[in-house]
Amino acid sequence: QVQLVQSGAEVKKPGASVKVSCKASGYIFNGHYMHWVRQAPGQGLEWMGWMNPNGGVTKYAQRFQGRVTMTRDTSISTAYMELSRLRSDDTAVYYCARDLSLRDFDYWGQGTLVTVSS
Amino acid sequence: SYVLTQPPSVSVAPGKTARITCGGDNIGSKSVHWYQQKPGQAPVLLISYDSDRPSGIPERFSGSNSGNTATLTISRVEAGDEADFYCQVWDGYSDHVVFGGGTKLTVL
Repeated sequence: QVQLVQSGAEVKKPGASVKVSCKASGYIFNGHYMHWVRQAPGQGLEWMGWMNPNGGVTKYAQRFQGRVTMTRDTSISTAYMELSRLRSDDTAVYYCARDLSLRDFDYWGQGTLVTVSS
Repeated sequence: SYVLTQPPSVSVAPGKTARITCGGDNIGSKSVHWYQQKPGQAPVLLISYDSDRPSGIPERFSGSNSGNTATLTISRVEAGDEADFYCQVWDGYSDHVVFGGGTKLTVL
């Protein structure tokens, strides 16, 4: 069965970086784009970008350009999302989500809470 | 950038029908996906491509999309349907994904 298992919660200081991992299993990792979506406390879903594991091509939402980097290690079927220059308003739960066919997300990770606080 | 507008909240009595709208400029020309998110859980794909139900999603959930409004319809609402619901589209021009602001469904 398809599973996306994310790394654990993180606490970071403003200005630092955070790298969240998402280990995929139960399907061919290279066969599906991986997206990252975040959700601030009490707020809605916000799309951050996608990565094509087959080649590593990425597309980022405008507001994260220059601060986010999405990568992967195909040898261990794991996707990564790194966000730099963290601010307090980056405090959120970060999800990875598998792209089923054309930007519809059929499987989601369990979420990783990133807290940015001095 | 493309904007999707949802009502913040919808309330419905058990057994009745709930309709959650998602407004966007000519949204009928796009494919709309709907997600259900219960507290403390990741979202779940509820409806894809306007009206397709993934395996395991009850027939009580249905979707439609035309003109400037997409609609998620929940028939015979149950207490367990209480959740936040999000619509989502893909803007093919920019290859960006857009979510609506979400609608909290309350079962009275």
